[in-house]
Amino acid sequence: QLLLQVSGPGLVEPSETLSLTCTVSGGSISSTTYFWGWIRQPPGKDLEWIGSVFYSGDTYYNPSLKTRVTISVATSKNQFSLRLRSATAADTALYYCARQSHYYMNWFDPWGQGTLVAVSS
Amino acid sequence: QSVLTQPPSVTGAPGQRVTISCTGTSSNIGAGYDVHWYQHLPGTAPKLLINANNNRPSGVPDRFSGSKSGTSASLAITGLQAEDEADYYCQSFDRSLSAVIFGGGTKLTVL
Repeated sequence: QLLLQVSGPGLVEPSETLSLTCTVSGGSISSTTYFWGWIRQPPGKDLEWIGSVFYSGDTYYNPSLKTRVTISVATSKNQFSLRLRSATAADTALYYCARQSHYYMNWFDPWGQGTLVAVSS
Repeated sequence: QSVLTQPPSVTGAPGQRVTISCTGTSSNIGAGYDVHWYQHLPGTAPKLLINANNNRPSGVPDRFSGSKSGTSASLAITGLQAEDEADYYCQSFDRSLSAVIFGGGTKLTVL
């Protein structure tokens, strides 16, 4: 059974970088079949796709966040990571990682549990 | 305002059938991009219910079904059960935004 677990600080100072890591267990992140994605949901707002990465390092980002986001993959650790620069209160959200089928336009399954990150001083 | 429009809430009695709509535009659903559906219980990870418009992953009861036509898609739930009470989201891709997009979510209440 594939499991994804998000880890990282639950509190980030404004203007700092929000950093999260997703650890994959029960399967290899180096699979040629899947992408790996980040999705977030601010309190009371819609789900928002942040971006997706392939094991080779190829990335696709939401244009609305592209200037501030970097998603990377560490195949030796079976992990992929999110860095969101210049964080503001608007980045306060529940952050999820998920496996994405075949291509970055496709569905997410399974999802990790999600972690709440607050941007506040 | 979400790019994909869903009703904020739907209600049904046990055993009944309910449908949840997901309305898009010619830049997403109408452009031929697939629609996927998720069930989300607060405090848990969203669960894939339907992928690629009408495919049910292994383990998902056949009470759940999806359809797509034109610029809209629908999720149907038959034989409603108390455990179906959750939030439901649709997802697609928008070529104008060059982004994966989600609907605003629909809260299903089972009476």
